[in-house]
Amino acid sequence: GQQLNQSPQSMFIQEGEDVSMNCTSSSIFNTWLWYKQDPGEGPVLLIALYKAGELTSNGRLTAQFGITRKDSFLNISASIPSDVGIYFCAGNYNNNDMRFGAGTRLTVKP
Amino acid sequence: NAGVTQTPKFQVLKTGQSMTLQCAQDMNHEYMSWYRQDPGMGLRLIHYSVGAGITDQGEVPNGYNVSRSTTEDFPLRLLSAAPSQTSVYFCASRPTATNEKLFFGSGTQLSVL
Repeated sequence: GQQLNQSPQSMFIQEGEDVSMNCTSSSIFNTWLWYKQDPGEGPVLLIALYKAGELTSNGRLTAQFGITRKDSFLNISASIPSDVGIYFCAGNYNNNDMRFGAGTRLTVKP
Repeated sequence: NAGVTQTPKFQVLKTGQSMTLQCAQDMNHEYMSWYRQDPGMGLRLIHYSVGAGITDQGEVPNGYNVSRSTTEDFPLRLLSAAPSQTSVYFCASRPTATNEKLFFGSGTQLSVL
């Protein structure tokens, strides 16, 4: 199957710092999405990307669809304690099968 | 709007027992799916449905059955639970099969002893 490699696995940062995480694949995806999961809850969509090279922001979050269509990046600026959670990338392999990365666990120290 | 509702929240089974995880959505979404989440492996697709009466297998379908008799409901059945099925299960829906934005339920934590 189409596997997504997400890194880093975990991050421990100080409040106010910027965060970067990325996702790569050996195959081309048509859509990249980024989700956040809070403890005990299901993932919630943060950003969706539809075109190679696309750069999209949602508040302090910015994500990019890699030009090769095999990778995507998520940046969080000026982190705050409520940014804590697990961030997942997802690639739309075909319309019926979306593949997820293993997640980046973010801890923000006040 | 309740969104996607999953029950139960927690379940413990013995090996060989059967059970059904319930999922309902009130957004009139055509597409519904089940994922399992295991440590270090992300979310893996078990089964999905593009509309009432239509189901298909995902990446890890073995040991699970589904049905879609109504637009709203998409139950997941474990016929004979195995310890390898210990996981957190998420139901998700989206408006259509061509709309990628998934809405997730809050999950069912299942332990098989």
